[in-house]
Order: sequence, then structure tokens, then C-alpha cells
Amino acid sequence: QVQLVESGGGLVKPGGSLRLSCAASGFTFSDYYMSWIRQAPGKGLEWVSYISSSSSYTNYADSVKGRFTISRDNAKNSLYLQMNSLRAEDTAVYYCARGKYAFDIWGQGTMVTVSS
Amino acid sequence: EIVLTQSPGTLSLSPGERATLSCRASQSVSSSYLAWYQQKPGQAPRLLIYGASSRATGIPDRFSGSGSGTDFTLTISRLEPEDFAVYYCQQYGSSPTFGQGTKVEIK
Repeated sequence: QVQLVESGGGLVKPGGSLRLSCAASGFTFSDYYMSWIRQAPGKGLEWVSYISSSSSYTNYADSVKGRFTISRDNAKNSLYLQMNSLRAEDTAVYYCARGKYAFDIWGQGTMVTVSS
Repeated sequence: EIVLTQSPGTLSLSPGERATLSCRASQSVSSSYLAWYQQKPGQAPRLLIYGASSRATGIPDRFSGSGSGTDFTLTISRLEPEDFAVYYCQQYGSSPTFGQGTKVEIK
């Protein structure tokens, strides 16, 4: 079935780095834009970034621009988010999702905690 | 950035009642780019409505979306026990943004 599975979350110190991965299955990954969306504990949803199907176009929220990098490997059906210079306010569940306009498939999320 | 404001913050209703959720945008949104999501505790959001009024695959017809410009509405015609959750609207302008959510709770 159509599925997205995130991994790579964990506890990291302020200023540290982390790389999230998202494995896609059940659909033609290379046909779709993909996105990362996060949710701080007890808070609402915040779009983080998206990438076009061929990686030619990316876009970022102002809150992460210059610190996070989205990428994908269509041969591996995988999406990535490289997060550098992490801050306490980056603490959240990070979801990968299919789409650019509306997000029709979501993963279960991976928790990122930034704390000393 | 387009800011979405949802109201009310919390809606207390009984099963079988009608729920009307509002989403107001700080500037006009193309109807093609307005979506609604449902999120239950500990779960990822689920797409309900896209293009302001089109139901996503597998979504029951008690869920309907309407509106245009800056004012959009999600209506649940008769609440089922599984509908009590948090609902978010979302738009795509130059970058996607979400509303802050409306919690539909059991009265």
C-alpha cells in the first residue's frame, strides 16, 4: 500500500545537526513533489520545505532557510532533510508528506528534540 | 505570507449534530489551493478536502467544504464519534501555511 516511513529523529544539542530520511513505497515516487512538515509539541502544523519531482526546484520556510536542506533520491524512493545549526525551537515531530499544494499522504512522523 | 485564522478555537458538540468550522485568510486564496485536514491525538494529519470543496479519496460525504476568496468553511453534517478531532485548514500561496486549528470536542 501507499506508505511513507520517516527515520533519523532523536536528541541533539543546540547547534548540532541531524539528517532525516523518508522511505516511500506503493506509488511512483519520482512523479511527485514531496514535502516536510513539522509540529512542535502541543502546537499546530508548520510547513518546512518541498522539493520538485526531479529535484530542480526547492522551497523553504523562512524559519529554516539557510539551515535546512531538502533532497531526494528517486532511485531509492527516498526523501531527506539535512538539518544544521539546530535550535530549541526546531523541536518537533517531523512528517514527510506527498504533494506541494495539498498533502495527501503522510508518514507517521519522527521526533526531533533539540536540548542541551 | 498568507495568514489563516480558524474559528472557533474549540467547538463543543454532541454526536449527530452539525459542525461548521471557519477559515479566514489574510488575503485572497485561489480555491484550488485550499485544503482541510483532520488530526487525532498521536496520529498524522489526514487530508479531507482539497481545492476548497473536493473530498479526498475515502472521505465520507458528511464532510463538505465551501468558500472562496478569503472565507472558507468545513461542514460536518452529522458528527460521528470518530469525527472528534482537531481540524486544520491550509493554503498554498507562494508557500504553504496552516491555520492554528479548531478542536471539535464532545459536549
